[in-house]
Amino acid sequence: DAGVIQSPRHEVTEMGQEVTLRCKPISGHDYLFWYRQTMMRGLELLIYFNNNVPIDDSGMPEDRFSAKMPNASFSTLKIQPSEPRDSAVYFCASRPGLGNAGELFFGEGSRLTVL
Amino acid sequence: DQQVKQNSPSLSVQEGRISILNCDYTNSMFDYFLWYKKYPAEGPTFLISISSIKDKNEDGRFTVFLNKSAKHLSLHIVPSQPGDSAVYFCASEGANNLFFGTGTRLTVIP
Repeated sequence: DAGVIQSPRHEVTEMGQEVTLRCKPISGHDYLFWYRQTMMRGLELLIYFNNNVPIDDSGMPEDRFSAKMPNASFSTLKIQPSEPRDSAVYFCASRPGLGNAGELFFGEGSRLTVL
Repeated sequence: DQQVKQNSPSLSVQEGRISILNCDYTNSMFDYFLWYKKYPAEGPTFLISISSIKDKNEDGRFTVFLNKSAKHLSLHIVPSQPGDSAVYFCASEGANNLFFGTGTRLTVIP
């Protein structure tokens, strides 16, 4: 079975441009998470969805960030406009359920560089 | 504010010796703890976990110890192998969320 698939793997853009990161979770997983990895803060949760519904978006840094999950097999994280401080690796992860603390399955990440 | 802390950003160990990675957490409501391993250009992968009702969980060369009174857990790898070189993240589960530390980069020297 394919794992979590993210695209693009690398994105270099200029400040002010719109960035869209994409994620396909593992089929059958009910939960989808977006994390950001930075040196200072490690892996930070941005937002997570349960059955396509956003549950907790308190980690989204500001209004420039938005995330959607139009169906069970696809999610996007959008940054508009992007800023240099948004440069980081963004991970998408999924899991089948939260009932008994199952582990997360991560994608390979999208490395974003904003110049 | 970091609810899970890994105070050592890096650790170097000789091959065959024991690696000990440490993690502290602040929220006493956390009841499940996990370690993830991350290689460069890859996503983190689950390594081992422990429930708060236990104080030790062992899986091959990997053992996780939990000290609830100290809000501290550690990962022991013995014997360490060069393939263990990676970044290790500690995570705690609470409020339907996993809280991660900043990671410790382990280098096992052949």
